Amino acid sequence: GAVVSQHPSRVICKSGTSVKIECRSLDFQATTMFWYRQFPKQSLMLMATSNEGSKATYEQGVEKDKFLINHASLTLSTLTVTSAHPEDSSFYICSAAPTGWNSPLHFGNGTRLTVT
Amino acid sequence: LAKTTQPISMDSYEGQEVNITCSHNNIATNDYITWYQQFPSQGPRFIIQGYKTKVTNEVASLFIPADRKSSTLSLPRVSLSDTAVYYCLVGDRASGNTPLVFGKGTRLSVIA
Repeated sequence: GAVVSQHPSRVICKSGTSVKIECRSLDFQATTMFWYRQFPKQSLMLMATSNEGSKATYEQGVEKDKFLINHASLTLSTLTVTSAHPEDSSFYICSAAPTGWNSPLHFGNGTRLTVT
Repeated sequence: LAKTTQPISMDSYEGQEVNITCSHNNIATNDYITWYQQFPSQGPRFIIQGYKTKVTNEVASLFIPADRKSSTLSLPRVSLSDTAVYYCLVGDRASGNTPLVFGKGTRLSVIA
């Protein structure tokens, strides 16, 4: 089945630093990937849609200059949290779907970001 | 995007069948219904997807009535390892209406 790999699984950083999270589709090409954020005991919130070779589309209320998304190849999207602050601490999850009629989304295992 | 409504939580004993219903009154003609399972600190995992009537795979069944305004995920003989949050999403990727928006989900607790 389709596999999405996310790295790192856990990261701790100091306030003011930047953190990069990678999302890879291992056995399929993904022209579009999606980034979510999830706070404890809450549902997933869509942050942005990552498009290969073009700019990402951000959901309302998500700062594009803070959450930089790069989708340089058909199998890799990165999310960089710039100048991280404690309130950015969350669980970040990426997803992608193989092209094909109504293929469901497949999700990475998430990245737990803690900003101290 | 169709909005979905699910019970916030459910409890079940091991070995029982569990049915989780999702309401999606505004589902569009081309929308599919997809269910995901999420364990703590993990990404959601695809369970099952359907359009109408009944779909069955090795882990679950999905029942969709004729009006498609709701759907029921059926988990046969649950075990402790089925304790998780279950989400239903509706949408149609073919038309660009990718099912991306997660509702609050149903937190299933399986008790020994």
